[in-house]
Amino acid sequence: AQTVTQSQPEMSVQEAETVTLSCTYDTSESDYYLFWYKQPPSRQMILVIRQEAYKQQNATENRFSVNFQKAAKSFSLKISDSQLGDAAMYFCAYRSGRGAQKLVFGQGTRLTINP
Amino acid sequence: EPEVTQTPSHQVTQMGQEVILRCVPISNHLYFYWYRQILGQKVEFLVSFYNNEISEKSEIFDDQFSVERPDGSNFTLKIRSTKLEDSAMYFCASSENSNTEAFFGQGTRLTVV
Repeated sequence: AQTVTQSQPEMSVQEAETVTLSCTYDTSESDYYLFWYKQPPSRQMILVIRQEAYKQQNATENRFSVNFQKAAKSFSLKISDSQLGDAAMYFCAYRSGRGAQKLVFGQGTRLTINP
Repeated sequence: EPEVTQTPSHQVTQMGQEVILRCVPISNHLYFYWYRQILGQKVEFLVSFYNNEISEKSEIFDDQFSVERPDGSNFTLKIRSTKLEDSAMYFCASSENSNTEAFFGQGTRLTVV
């Protein structure tokens, strides 16, 4: 079974600075997808960024980018120019590419932005 | 922008009672999911639903749970006889197909007393 591990329960960063959230995963599959979801205090799960395992290029969405290291099974999220609105729980998630649709989530990292 | 909507936002129920959580997925989506998040813990998969049947379910999704798409728009999760440990945030999600990302609703907080 696939597992996702986020080793940082909490992180904090100064506003406008850059922060990196770590995620590692374990799978024997070669075809899969990885995601970062944001959960603000409202508790809604919001998709931040997605990466297909077959793509070598790291995904980028505005201030959010990932460092996908397939051999190391690592998928970190970099947030540049941190804003107060970035404060939230961040969950890394894995989904198999073989037709199974379920997401396997990590434990989450609580990100605090210091003004 | 289309979104997944869930009702109610908060449900309080007595232990042993049946509860139905409701979701309206995004209209052109074909795959539907339920996840739950016990307070302070990670989000856990419960069940996926496609073509009017369950396509995958987790160990958590036992005989107490059932899902249904009673009409063309709603997707429901029923818990037959609630237990204290069923208290959690329940998220509905939907995706256009099996390879696209899932969009989540805002969640229903279920409190069993």
